[in-house]
Amino acid sequence: EADIYQTPRYLVIGTGKKITLECSQTMGHDKMYWYQQDPGMELHLIHYSYGVNSTEKGDLSSESTVSRIRTEHFPLTLESARPSHTSQYLCASSGQTLQEQFFGPGTRLTVL
Amino acid sequence: AQSVAQPEDQVNVAEGNPLTVKCTYSVSGNPYLFWYVQYPNRGLQFLLKYITGDNLVKGSYGFEAEFNKSQTSFHLKKPSALVSDSALYFCAVRDIGNNNDMRFGAGTRLTVKP
Repeated sequence: EADIYQTPRYLVIGTGKKITLECSQTMGHDKMYWYQQDPGMELHLIHYSYGVNSTEKGDLSSESTVSRIRTEHFPLTLESARPSHTSQYLCASSGQTLQEQFFGPGTRLTVL
Repeated sequence: AQSVAQPEDQVNVAEGNPLTVKCTYSVSGNPYLFWYVQYPNRGLQFLLKYITGDNLVKGSYGFEAEFNKSQTSFHLKKPSALVSDSALYFCAVRDIGNNNDMRFGAGTRLTVKP
């Protein structure tokens, strides 16, 4: 079944740890996105990719990095997590220009 | 650059009454408009979109939205609200004439009371 997956769903870690949030989609979409969202608040685009080996920074400055080595995979990495990184991270993908973005279930990250 | 505004942070309606969640947009080219719904601890779910054609668009769960070019609006509507419609709603716009990026509004929290 075509879908978009995010793991883990919930993560609690200590300050200074390196973490990678996983995002995979089985829809063959070229475009993928990462958004940061505080609970019940607006979405902020932090990274996007229009294809393999293409990554761009979004509107909101972020200390995270992303990679796009395979079409279906778009992981987000925090080299040294801080409490200010506590938030929900949403991954999305889209295909053709007219198409809506499809969202994963999100990863809720808490940094202690 | 394109932008979208949701002027109401919160909308409260009684179950069975009609609901409207407002959205206005600004683009330099032709707009593609979208509505999403988000339930607690979940990602966004697509409801409906306007690309071209009929100004009244019907979507999932009985929702519809009307594209009004002169007022640059795309309000979300439902004739009879359900308690289960209570959620966070996001409007989004994509400016096809420019960079194709999708911009989301700040969201409107809809509460439907029994």
